[in-house]
Amino acid sequence: DADVTQTPRNRITKTGKRIMLECSQTKGHDRMYWYRQDPGLGLRLIYYSFDVKDINKGEISDGYSVSRQAQAKFSLSLESAIPNQTALYFCATSVGADRYTDTQYFGPGTRLTVL
Amino acid sequence: QKEVEQDPGPLSVPEGAIVSLNCTYSNSAFQYFMWYRQYSRKGPELLMYTYSSGNKEDGRFTAQVDKSSKYISLFIRDSQPSDSATYLCAMSAGGFQKLVFGTGTRLLVSP
Repeated sequence: DADVTQTPRNRITKTGKRIMLECSQTKGHDRMYWYRQDPGLGLRLIYYSFDVKDINKGEISDGYSVSRQAQAKFSLSLESAIPNQTALYFCATSVGADRYTDTQYFGPGTRLTVL
Repeated sequence: QKEVEQDPGPLSVPEGAIVSLNCTYSNSAFQYFMWYRQYSRKGPELLMYTYSSGNKEDGRFTAQVDKSSKYISLFIRDSQPSDSATYLCAMSAGGFQKLVFGTGTRLLVSP
C-alpha cells in the first residue's frame, strides 16, 4: 500500500469552479507539502505545513488555499480555478526530525486540467 | 535567470553506457544537494543526497558536487533500460526544508 496517497488522480474542471485535492499519509510524518509541476518550470512549492497548527505559504500560493485536517491529511483547494492552474500536483511528506537531512516522500500526483 | 538550471534532454544512450546528468546553480548558500528520479506518472523519489562538496557513491550511482563552480553531477554506470526516467536535481541552503528543484532531465536507455 502506498504511504502517500492523493485523490483524485486525474481531474478535469471548468474555469471558475472550486476544486479540492486531497492528500493522506500513513508514514506518521509531521511535515506535509504541496507542489505543482509544469513543463519547463519544474517543481514549485505552493504551501507547506510543519504540523497541524503551522501552515506556511510557499513560492506560488496565490489562488490556492490549504487545510491540515489532521497530522495525516493535507488538502489543497483552488477557490476559483483558472486555466493556468492546469498542472501536475504533488503532495509530499517528511519526518521533520532532522532539518538538514529531511527527505521528502512524494505521492503519485494529481493531474488537473482546467478548461 | 533561474536559481537552478538543468538541461531537459532527452538524453538517449544505449544500455551499458555511462550517463552524466548535470545541474548548475547560482545561489552560493546552497549546501544540500539531492537527486530525485521520477518515472512517468509517478512522484519523484530520492536517489542520492550530498552535503557540501565532494563525491558520494551508491551502487551504480555517483553524485558529485563542485561548489566552487556551482555545478553538480549524477553519474550512472552500466545504465539499464529501467533507469529510463526523468532525473531532478534539488538543493537547499538548509535551515528549513525549502528545496529548489531543477526542471529535470529525461533519460532514455535503449536495450
